Amino acid sequence: QKEVEQNSGPLSVPEGAIASLNCTYSDRGSQSFFWYRQYSGKSPELIMFIYSNGDKEDGRFTAQLNKASQYVSLLIRDSQPSDSATYLCAVYGSSNTGKLIFGQGTTLQVKP
Amino acid sequence: GAGVSQSPRYKVAKRGQDVALRCDPISGHVSLFWYQQALGQGPEFLTYFQNEAQLDKSGLPSDRFFAERPEGSVSTLKIQRTQQEDSAVYLCASSLINTEETQYFGPGTRLLVL
Repeated sequence: QKEVEQNSGPLSVPEGAIASLNCTYSDRGSQSFFWYRQYSGKSPELIMFIYSNGDKEDGRFTAQLNKASQYVSLLIRDSQPSDSATYLCAVYGSSNTGKLIFGQGTTLQVKP
Repeated sequence: GAGVSQSPRYKVAKRGQDVALRCDPISGHVSLFWYQQALGQGPEFLTYFQNEAQLDKSGLPSDRFFAERPEGSVSTLKIQRTQQEDSAVYLCASSLINTEETQYFGPGTRLLVL
């Protein structure tokens, strides 16, 4: 089992729809969770981080964390073609080594 | 500069050559990280520095890979006797203090070994 798992996609949604991206992790002691966006040929850029169970909203983005289910998700409301990218879920392990563990990423395509 | 910078942005090497990749973190950032990203995959951790101390090098794939940060600022990732499987994007990231913080990524160095 991979430490952080994402569906590679592609996930295709029409413009204006809600895109839902999911991630599961194996280390039950993990405390910090991040979503990065990566455009083709570019480096990852931070979208959101979440530490506590529940929802965290920032503009069109909502991160959801459920530690009991070891599940973290990212919702993108009113999806735009410019949101088309690969979304990477990243988790710090519980061993406190500074190692950020990434999933393989989900490719999102927003069609006009 | 405002962000993490890396050089060179692209590097083509013949198999067996040594390469050196440079990372300049955000000013004042204590922690520095190196990752390797293969095509279609997420970044994979290589090594981590806190100031000049290399605290974790568990992700380095072989003893051909070596990283240093002698003055606690700029870091260099060196790959000796490059192999084709070393072809990847090498990403550097930095964070302000220590663990559990947001890591900010540089543009990466795309290495192609022929």
